[in-house]
Amino acid sequence: AQKITQTQPGMFVQEKEAVTLDCTYDTSDPSYGLFWYKQPSSGEMIFLIYQGSYDQQNATEGRYSLNFQKARKSANLVISASQLGDSAMYFCAIIQGAQKLVFGQGTRLTINP
Amino acid sequence: DAMVIQNPRYQVTQFGKPVTLSCSQTLNHNVMYWYQQKSSQAPKLLFHYYDKDFNNEADTPDNFQSRRPNTSFCFLDIRSPGLGDAAMYLCATSRRLAEHNEQFFGPGTRLTVL
Repeated sequence: AQKITQTQPGMFVQEKEAVTLDCTYDTSDPSYGLFWYKQPSSGEMIFLIYQGSYDQQNATEGRYSLNFQKARKSANLVISASQLGDSAMYFCAIIQGAQKLVFGQGTRLTINP
Repeated sequence: DAMVIQNPRYQVTQFGKPVTLSCSQTLNHNVMYWYQQKSSQAPKLLFHYYDKDFNNEADTPDNFQSRRPNTSFCFLDIRSPGLGDAAMYLCATSRRLAEHNEQFFGPGTRLTVL
């Protein structure tokens, strides 16, 4: 079975600073996908970024980038120039069997003005 | 805008009283999912439909059922809600079943059981 571990239950960052949210994963499948989702207090899960196991380059989407270290089974999310609106829960997830997203426990990020 | 819509956003039911949650999508995606997310926990997949094929997770209680009458709509039926079923229920869609397919989530329905 696949597993995601997020070791930071909460993080506090000053506005405009960069922040790294940690994610490690465990899988025996050679082909897998890693996702990051943002969940504001309203509850909706917002897709941020995707990294495929065979992708040669780290994924980037605007202010979001994924630091993918395959040998270490690590897929950390980096948010550059944080904003107050970035305050939310962040979930790392791995796709299992091409259908089931398995989520980590999440990291609650708070951006301070 | 293409999207995933869930109604209602908030649902209150009584212990043991059947309740139905609704999800619709304008993305024309083949796959629809239902996740349960209890307070301060990660979302957990209950089941999914690939077109009309229903796939139940092994640990989903029998109390939870689903219907997908057409491509656009999917319903979650809770036959006899217990206090432990209070949670956020998230509907998601994806174009097909593949590792790289992003799942698009709706805003969720927060269920309270009295």
